[in-house]
Amino acid sequence: QKEVEQDPGPLSVPEGAIVSLNCTYSNSAFQYFMWYRQYSRKGPELLMYTYSSGNKEDGRFTAQVDKSSKYISLFIRDSQPSDSATYLCAMTPLQNTGFQKLVFGTGTRLLVSP
Amino acid sequence: DAGVTQSPTHLIKTRGQQVTLRCSPKSGHDTVSWYQQALGQGPQFIFQYYEEEERQRGNFPDRFSGHQFPNYSSELNVNALLLGDSALYLCASGPRRNMNTEAFFGQGTRLTVV
Repeated sequence: QKEVEQDPGPLSVPEGAIVSLNCTYSNSAFQYFMWYRQYSRKGPELLMYTYSSGNKEDGRFTAQVDKSSKYISLFIRDSQPSDSATYLCAMTPLQNTGFQKLVFGTGTRLLVSP
Repeated sequence: DAGVTQSPTHLIKTRGQQVTLRCSPKSGHDTVSWYQQALGQGPQFIFQYYEEEERQRGNFPDRFSGHQFPNYSSELNVNALLLGDSALYLCASGPRRNMNTEAFFGQGTRLTVV
């Protein structure tokens, strides 16, 4: 079993739709939860991060973490064709040494049609 | 600011050969991590360098080695290449204290082993 599970999609939605992207994880030591966006032939770009549980909002994006269920979500409101990309969740435990590795999901490919 | 720069962008190698990939971190960053991203998969952590030493390593064989120079730039070396080493190799740089939330990824080097 992978530490982080993510549906690879593709997820196809019309422009303006609300998009929900999700990941589940098995390692209860994870404390930082990130969402990256990766366009084709580019490196991942950090969208948002959340420490521990709770919600975080940034413009059209909202990240949620439910540690009791080991489940994280990214919501995109008013989706745009420019949001078409692969969305990767990533997580890492909190370590005092500061040397951490990110554990990624496989990524969900999102297609927003005009 | 040029961000994280990786070279070369693409290369093709023959099975059994050796390859060296290079990474220049974003200005002000002192920590470099390397990831391998196979097609359709999320990035997998290879190792992380800080103060010219390998600080943490993922589940990769000894054929994968690295180096960090005094100017914080880094190299990834892979010996005895296998077909399965074909992937996008990503370099991420950040400040050690906030590598989780302030890491920037380069665009990657796409390695094809034939």
